Amino acid sequence: DTEVTQTPKHLVMGMTNKKSLKCEQHMGHRAMYWYKQKAKKPPELMFVYSYEKLSINESVPSRFSPECPNSSLLNLHLHALQPEDSALYLCASSHLAGGPYNEQFFGPGTRLTVL
Amino acid sequence: DAKTTQPNSMESNEEEPVHLPCNHSTISGTDYIHWYRQLPSQGPEYVIHGLTSNVNNRMASLAIAEDRKSSTLILHRATLRDAAVYYCILRDTGNQFYFGTGTSLTVIP
Repeated sequence: DTEVTQTPKHLVMGMTNKKSLKCEQHMGHRAMYWYKQKAKKPPELMFVYSYEKLSINESVPSRFSPECPNSSLLNLHLHALQPEDSALYLCASSHLAGGPYNEQFFGPGTRLTVL
Repeated sequence: DAKTTQPNSMESNEEEPVHLPCNHSTISGTDYIHWYRQLPSQGPEYVIHGLTSNVNNRMASLAIAEDRKSSTLILHRATLRDAAVYYCILRDTGNQFYFGTGTSLTVIP
């Protein structure tokens, strides 16, 4: 299984809502990532988890809260988002924590709309 | 991470070779050169990577300049399925990498 799955595919939420994005992989990867991608722009790195511990936070606002409950799962908890947070949220994973030759496997993303 | 520069867009005729250039003049000795592509409505997917020598795989070839300040991704016979945004990325010893602006490839039937 070389797939990264993300749920839901689409999410519409109000600015006062709390919601969560879920990402799952069963490739035995110990590094997992969240990216944000606005339309016609490249993905921007948000968070990196290595061995289930947060290793990089790219100065992301606290209304985005990542969680890695085990080596296969990665969540992104959303609270009090703004309309400008509407974007495609991509999850990725890779073998080993570190290693510049490691391929990252991406999920199809969750399309988030904040009203 | 060192920066990469790519043309915004390129066109190719179907079944012809495509050469996608990337400049990375500030590359360091430990940076690997990676290429990913993103098809419409999908997440990015790995294409190829290299350090110093040219590389081939089933998807593409990667030609790296001798001074490593530039590289070229070669698709030997473009198909309509190759229409995508192609990203050239430099990766150092860390987990993360940072996407550049990429090249949007259009394949003309």
